[in-house]
Amino acid sequence: QVQLVESGGGVVQPGRSLRLSCAASGLTFRNYGMDWVRQAPGKGLEWVALIWYDGSNKYYADSVKGRFTISRDNSKNTLYLQMNSLRAEDTAVYYCASQRGDPGYFDYWGQGTLVTVSS
Amino acid sequence: QSALTQPPSASGSPGQSVTISCTGTNSDVGGYNYVSWYQQHPGKAPKVMIYEVSKRPSGVPDRFSGSKSGDTASLTVSGLQAEDEADYYCSSYAGSNNYVFGTGTKVTVL
Repeated sequence: QVQLVESGGGVVQPGRSLRLSCAASGLTFRNYGMDWVRQAPGKGLEWVALIWYDGSNKYYADSVKGRFTISRDNSKNTLYLQMNSLRAEDTAVYYCASQRGDPGYFDYWGQGTLVTVSS
Repeated sequence: QSALTQPPSASGSPGQSVTISCTGTNSDVGGYNYVSWYQQHPGKAPKVMIYEVSKRPSGVPDRFSGSKSGDTASLTVSGLQAEDEADYYCSSYAGSNNYVFGTGTKVTVL
């Protein structure tokens, strides 16, 4: 079965950086676009970023553009999110999700990793 | 990109139906047939229930159905069951490889 496992979350001070990882198994990773979606505590879902199946194109929500970078290593079946210049409002559970179709929808989700930005 | 508008809550008794609306603009919901719906139980990851407005992934009960009219999409859950109690989010393609989610609706089974 498909498994997406996020890691790398934790507590970080404002202005610092953090890198999240998402290890995929049970799917042909190199064939899928991948997304990051976040959810602030007690709040709704927010789409963060998308990377095409081959890494050739990347897209970001305005709220993270210029600060976050999505990338992937298809040889390791792993998705990344490099988060720089973190702000308190970036505090959230970060989910990775596989995207079916282009445009498409988010068909498999990881369990999420919590990022807390606080001094 | 502004979040799509959903009612904060909806409820129904077991066996009844509940419909959740999701209102956007002609730049997202109204402009594309790429609306999807997600169910999220507390502390769990979201699960897709409907994609491309009205299609159900395999394994999703046919009690769940979706539709769209203009800038508003809807999710109907028929024959409510206790396990349907959860938060529901709509999502739409918003052009230029961007996506937007709804504000979320908490469904309570009375």
